[in-house]
Order: sequence, then structure tokens, then C-alpha cells
Amino acid sequence: EAQVTQNPRYLITVTGKKLTVTCSQNMNHEYMSWYRQDPGLGLRQIYYSMNVEVTDKGDVPEGYKVSRKEKRNFPLILESPSPNQTSLYFCASSPTPDTQYFGPGTRLTVL
Amino acid sequence: QKEVEQDPGPLSVPEGAIVSLNCTYSNSAFQYFMWYRQYSRKGPELLMYTYSSGNKEDGRFTAQVDKSSKYISLFIRDSQPSDSATYLCAMSGRFGNEKLTFGTGTRLTIIP
Repeated sequence: EAQVTQNPRYLITVTGKKLTVTCSQNMNHEYMSWYRQDPGLGLRQIYYSMNVEVTDKGDVPEGYKVSRKEKRNFPLILESPSPNQTSLYFCASSPTPDTQYFGPGTRLTVL
Repeated sequence: QKEVEQDPGPLSVPEGAIVSLNCTYSNSAFQYFMWYRQYSRKGPELLMYTYSSGNKEDGRFTAQVDKSSKYISLFIRDSQPSDSATYLCAMSGRFGNEKLTFGTGTRLTIIP
């Protein structure tokens, strides 16, 4: 089954404790991206990757890191999480940026 | 001013009604227009995809783009309770190399 998977689905952590949210796709897509979704602000892109070892900033990259060492994986790293990073996070992959397939989401709470 | 404006709703209509969802935008470079549907506790899924101005129909769904007015619409005919979801418009400037800009979403409820 073609899918995008994210782990964990739910995470509660404390300020400053490094965390990684994994994202994996089995569709051989070149394009992958991370979004955060907040009430009243909609979906905002954090980072995207056009291919292996090619990443670029989206609209709200501050406080986040990504890497793309393999085509199928695109982890999101929060080196020192803060409460304003409490949000719902979505990973997406696609053959082109405008027809994206979204993962199920990761709800992150930073205390 | 946001690049893409979308009425957040909520919008409640009776089953069988025609639903109209809309977005306006300010960036004249946008050429590709999409509608995503997001069920509660799920990721968005692509519903409709159109290029430039005009209409596109897919079953009960019709997407309209009016670039001169910078206005896009999604119509749902014979609405069903299963259509209850949040609908997000999205748009991009160039095929294959442009990030998406999303509206904030409209929450729709179809009342049986």
C-alpha cells in the first residue's frame, strides 16, 4: 500500500529535550516536505527536499532541522524544542510539489 | 495581508444541498490551484487540481478558477454526511518547482 508514515503519532516532551520525528514514504517520490498546522494559521511549510541531499527552507524553518540521506526518509529534528513548537506536524511526499500525499500527522506538545 | 484568504467557517448545510467553498488570493503568479480535504485526525488528501482559469468537474465536485478576480471555488453537489471535513485550498506558481501556499481551511458539516 502506497503511504507516508510518521512516528511517533503523539509526543509530549519538555523544553530543550532534543527530539526527532521520522517520516518515511514507499512511493519512490523525490519531493518531500514538512508542515506544521496551527489553528487560524493553516498549514505552513517548514522545510522541503527536492531529492537526496537537497533541502531548503520553507516559510517557518526556525528551530527545526532536516536531513535527506535516503530517498524514502525525511526526519524532522527539533534540537531544543520550545512551547511555541507545540503543533500538529505533517510530512508529505509527492512526485511534484503541488500534488502532495500527506502522512497521518504527529501531535507534539512541548511543556 | 495573507497571500491566501479562506473563510474558516464553520459551515453547516443539510444533506443534499449544494455547497460552495471559496478562496481569494493576492499573488498573481499563482497558476496551479488545488483543493485538499482533511478529515478529523487525518492528513489532508488531494481532492481537485486545476491549472489557470476555468472549470474542472469530478463526480459531485467542481472546481472553478477566476484568475482575473483572484478567486477560486469548490462546489459540492448532492452533499453527503461523508463530505463533512475541513477543506483547504492551495496554490503554487510553477509546476514542479514551487512550494504550496495553503488557505487556513473551511470546516464543513453536512447535516443528515
